[in-house]
Amino acid sequence: EAQVTQNPRYLITVTGKKLTVTCSQNMNHEYMSWYRQDPGLGLRQIYYSMNVEVTDKGDVPEGYKVSRKEKRNFPLILESPSPNQTSLYFCASSLLGNRGNYTFGSGTRLTVV
Amino acid sequence: SQQGEEDPQALSIQEGENATMNCSYKTSINNLQWYRQNSGRGLVHLILIRSNEREKHSGRLRVTLDTSKKSSSLLITASRAADTASYFCATDLGWAGANSKLTFGKGITLSVRP
Repeated sequence: EAQVTQNPRYLITVTGKKLTVTCSQNMNHEYMSWYRQDPGLGLRQIYYSMNVEVTDKGDVPEGYKVSRKEKRNFPLILESPSPNQTSLYFCASSLLGNRGNYTFGSGTRLTVV
Repeated sequence: SQQGEEDPQALSIQEGENATMNCSYKTSINNLQWYRQNSGRGLVHLILIRSNEREKHSGRLRVTLDTSKKSSSLLITASRAADTASYFCATDLGWAGANSKLTFGKGITLSVRP
């Protein structure tokens, strides 16, 4: 089944403890992106990647890192999480030639205390 | 600032009625898309309409696009309780710049009463 898989689904962590949220897609998509969703703010893009080894900042990149060493994986790294990063995170992917029509993961609900 | 702004913010209708949701945006687009999100879940792509199209249909969904007014509408006909969800419009600006990203609105909460 074609899908984007995020792990974990839920995570509670403490301020300052490094964490990684994984994202993997099995559709050979070039484009991958991370969004965070907050009440009243909708979805905001954190980082995106047009292909392997090509990443760039979205609208709200502060406090996050990403890497794209393989086409299928696009992990989101929080080096020193803070409470304002408590949010619902989504990974998405698409074919570059098929503008739009993103496939989203099921989401990761992160709580930083 | 948001590229896409949905209207209304919340909509409550009776099962069987039609639901109309609107989206306005600010800059020229390559395409506009509508997504559905069930509570706490991922977004599901519903329909995409390109800037040179005016209307598209998919099952009970009908989307219109008016580029002169920079607006789109999503019509769900004969609504069902299972249509209860949040609906988002998202605009794709095209290949302008390095990031061809989707910019989402804040969403519309649709409740369909049985």
